[in-house]
Amino acid sequence: AAGVIQSPRHLIKEKRETATLKCYPIPRHDTVYWYQQGPGQDPQFLISFYEKMQSDKGSIPDRFSAQQFSDYHSELNMSSLELGDSALYFCASSREKNTEAFFGQGTRLTVV
Amino acid sequence: GEDVEQSLFLSVREGDSSVINCTYTDSSSTYLYWYKQEPGAGLQLLTYIFSNMDMKQDQRLTVLLNKKDKHLSLRIADTQTGDSAIYFCAVFSGGYNKLIFGAGTRLAVHP
Repeated sequence: AAGVIQSPRHLIKEKRETATLKCYPIPRHDTVYWYQQGPGQDPQFLISFYEKMQSDKGSIPDRFSAQQFSDYHSELNMSSLELGDSALYFCASSREKNTEAFFGQGTRLTVV
Repeated sequence: GEDVEQSLFLSVREGDSSVINCTYTDSSSTYLYWYKQEPGAGLQLLTYIFSNMDMKQDQRLTVLLNKKDKHLSLRIADTQTGDSAIYFCAVFSGGYNKLIFGAGTRLAVHP
C-alpha cells in the first residue's frame, strides 16, 4: 500500500541557508501535518493543512513557512537556518481531520 | 494546554508481557494512537482506538482505554527483542487539527 513519501531523506545545510522539505501524502488523503523531532525528544507539532488551507499552527518559527498544493502535496520552507533546526522532520497525512494519521519516514536535516 | 504523559523507560524479559501506560488531559480527544519508533527510523503506526471504545485487540497488541481516568495503555504479549523501541502515545487534540505526543517510553527487552 502507498505510504507517505518525504523527500529528501537527508539534507545537510549551512547556517543561514534555506531548505525545502517535501511531503507527498497517501492518495486521497486531504490533511497533512508537519512535526519536528529533536534528538531524544518527542515530535513537536509545527503546522497542519486541510484541503489546501492552513488548519492549525503549533511551534513553527516565523522563519519557516509551509503550504499545501492543489495535488495535496506539501512543502515546508525553512530560511535563515540555525544549528538548532537540526532535527528529524516528519510529515503525516490523514483522510479528513482527526482520523488515522500515518507518518512518512522523515527528513533528517543537519545544519552545520 | 493539552498534555500527554508516559513513563520514560520499561525493561522486560523476552516472552513476558509489556504494559506501557499513558495519561492525557484533553477529554474531547477522539482518536488515541500508539506509534513505534526504532533508532533513526520513522514513526510506525501500531494501533489506535476511538474514544467510544474501551478495548481493542490486534494480534499481540491490546489497547485499553479508561476514558473516565483519561488513561490509555498498550499491552504487548510475548514481547520479543524486535519489540525494543520507543513507543509514543499520541492523541488528537479535540477541536484542533493536531496530534499531541507523549515523551515516549523506551522499551528494552532482554533475554
